[in-house]
Amino acid sequence: DTGVSQDPRHKITKRGQNVTFRCDPISEHNRLYWYRQTLGQGPEFLTYFQNEAQLEKSRLLSDRFSAERPKGSFSTLEIQRTEQGDSAMYLCASSYAGHNTGELFFGEGSRLTVL
Amino acid sequence: AQTVTQSQPEMSVQEAETVTLSCTYDTSESDYYLFWYKQPPSRQMILVIRQEAYKQQNATENRFSVNFQKAAKSFSLKISDSQLGDAAMYFCAYSATGANSKLTFGKGITLSVRP
Repeated sequence: DTGVSQDPRHKITKRGQNVTFRCDPISEHNRLYWYRQTLGQGPEFLTYFQNEAQLEKSRLLSDRFSAERPKGSFSTLEIQRTEQGDSAMYLCASSYAGHNTGELFFGEGSRLTVL
Repeated sequence: AQTVTQSQPEMSVQEAETVTLSCTYDTSESDYYLFWYKQPPSRQMILVIRQEAYKQQNATENRFSVNFQKAAKSFSLKISDSQLGDAAMYFCAYSATGANSKLTFGKGITLSVRP
């Protein structure tokens, strides 16, 4: 296992279209996080799963955003009716609840550009 | 709510010299974790160093060390013998201990290393 992988790495879409990002965490990790990072800023927390349960959602996660982790392994983040303000890097991270070190392992991110 | 503040947007250091990156945070918790993460251009974020708040001893990892001042809520990163590969964005981050170990990040600082 080489780490957290995200797909696609880059996505360009037109305003109003739907986009979906996928994250595959490190295999033994049961926690999965989504963050959003805009240019020159730190990552902002969006949502968090433990196994298949979505335990917390930020108020940043508007109704147009939905995240799933159906089998407690990979996760998807869907943005419906994209807006230009959604342009950002979407980062996925994972951790193992049994190793309570607080450390998260990040993927390389999926960069979204909304035209 | 916890906040993390990095007030210096950019810093520059001469190769082989030492540089210190500043970070302050705010929390009402007594036990927590603090981190410095490195994000090279177009690459994934990786952990540089981690500090547990209940430990008085400052963490060190090879050329990286921290100055953790709990009462002042200050957590600075010192990079000794700076190398060209240290050039990146550095993020200070906070995590509460307990079930949900989501990270709260500062805005980051861009470090450049002059040859």
